[in-house]
Amino acid sequence: GAGVSQSPRYKVAKRGQDVALRCDPISGHVSLFWYQQALGQGPEFLTYFQNEAQLDKSGLPSDRFFAERPEGSVSTLKIQRTQQEDSAVYLCASSSGTHYGYTFGSGTRLTVV
Amino acid sequence: DQQVKQNSPSLSVQEGRISILNCDYTNSMFDYFLWYKKYPAEGPTFLISISSIKDKNEDGRFTVFLNKSAKHLSLHIVPSQPGDSAVYFCAASGNNQGGKLIFGQGTELSVKP
Repeated sequence: GAGVSQSPRYKVAKRGQDVALRCDPISGHVSLFWYQQALGQGPEFLTYFQNEAQLDKSGLPSDRFFAERPEGSVSTLKIQRTQQEDSAVYLCASSSGTHYGYTFGSGTRLTVV
Repeated sequence: DQQVKQNSPSLSVQEGRISILNCDYTNSMFDYFLWYKKYPAEGPTFLISISSIKDKNEDGRFTVFLNKSAKHLSLHIVPSQPGDSAVYFCAASGNNQGGKLIFGQGTELSVKP
């Protein structure tokens, strides 16, 4: 597609529920990033893939967060046993390989109730 | 510890005048800086960037200035237009960051007609 596509756009989860957030990057983009943006804050890095390899997962806040990109294209961010502090917008971005101005999707707004 | 700081949460400017958005950083290893613009319910959009080997980069109405000794950068928008009203994020990266960006908290710019 022309841009980075994320689904769903909105997700309401009950506390303790597992969720899966999907990211379709721009076709051919090697690098894929996940960020978490809390209300009133800037995006915070979660994890980075180069093709199917997860090269950096230092930003994942706990072992309840897991990301994968098995075929080097679509990526899924999974959050297990969601908690209220997980409520945020989750942004996916992709780039052709450099860190110069990569393209973000519109995000998934997760609300945990 | 906030490595990239935008100390002004909001800025209001009259149409046609100059908008100046400021950003400070603490990590001297950062060597690339970017500005992103974000409209509500959309992902951040890359605006302009600057390498640490330069002190100025200009693109149309947008100019970014970098003062390495002060660890300070600014974005100038001249002339400001109502369509520039958005949240602006400053971001920084380094060679050893693998493409990871560290974002500031954002400044909401309002350009009044």
